[in-house]
Amino acid sequence: EADIYQTPRYLVIGTGKKITLECSQTMGHDKMYWYQQDPGMELHLIHYSYGVNSTEKGDLSSESTVSRIRTEHFPLTLESARPSHTSQYLCASYLSSTDTQYFGPGTRLTVL
Amino acid sequence: AQRVTQPEKLLSVFKGAPVELKCNYSYSGSPELFWYVQYSRQRLQLLLRHISRESIKGFTADLNKGETSFHLKKPFAQEEDSAMYYCALYGKGGGSYIPTFGRGTSLIVHP
Repeated sequence: EADIYQTPRYLVIGTGKKITLECSQTMGHDKMYWYQQDPGMELHLIHYSYGVNSTEKGDLSSESTVSRIRTEHFPLTLESARPSHTSQYLCASYLSSTDTQYFGPGTRLTVL
Repeated sequence: AQRVTQPEKLLSVFKGAPVELKCNYSYSGSPELFWYVQYSRQRLQLLLRHISRESIKGFTADLNKGETSFHLKKPFAQEEDSAMYYCALYGKGGGSYIPTFGRGTSLIVHP
């Protein structure tokens, strides 16, 4: 089924750990995005990609990195997690023909 | 620079009352505007697009270029409308496909 998937859905880790949040979409969209969102709050763009081997930083300063080796896969990595990284992370892809973003279910990260 | 302003963080109404969620934008070109909705424990999803001029779940939104507004309206609110609503602008100047989201308005519809 065409969809956008995020794993894990929930993650609790200790400070200093390296983590990777996975995002995959089976819709063939070129453009993908990572947002940080605290519950009921605004979305902050942290990374985006226009296609394979294309990655850019968004508005929100972040210690994370992303890669786009395959069209369907856009993982986000935190080299050393800190309590300030505690938040929800949303992945999205974009369908150009309708200018619509499709969002994943999110990963809720807690750093102790 | 493009900007989206949703002045109300919270809007609380009773069932059956009219609802208007405000959205104002700033963009030098011709914008494309959207409303996204996030129900409790569900994904953020598209509600409606201004170019479609459609009504979804009884909601409508008209783009007013003179007032640079794209307010979301519904004549009679239902309890199931309770959710977080985000206004979004897509400006494609210079080949950019970066959407700008407002901070969101939480709509609570009381029985």
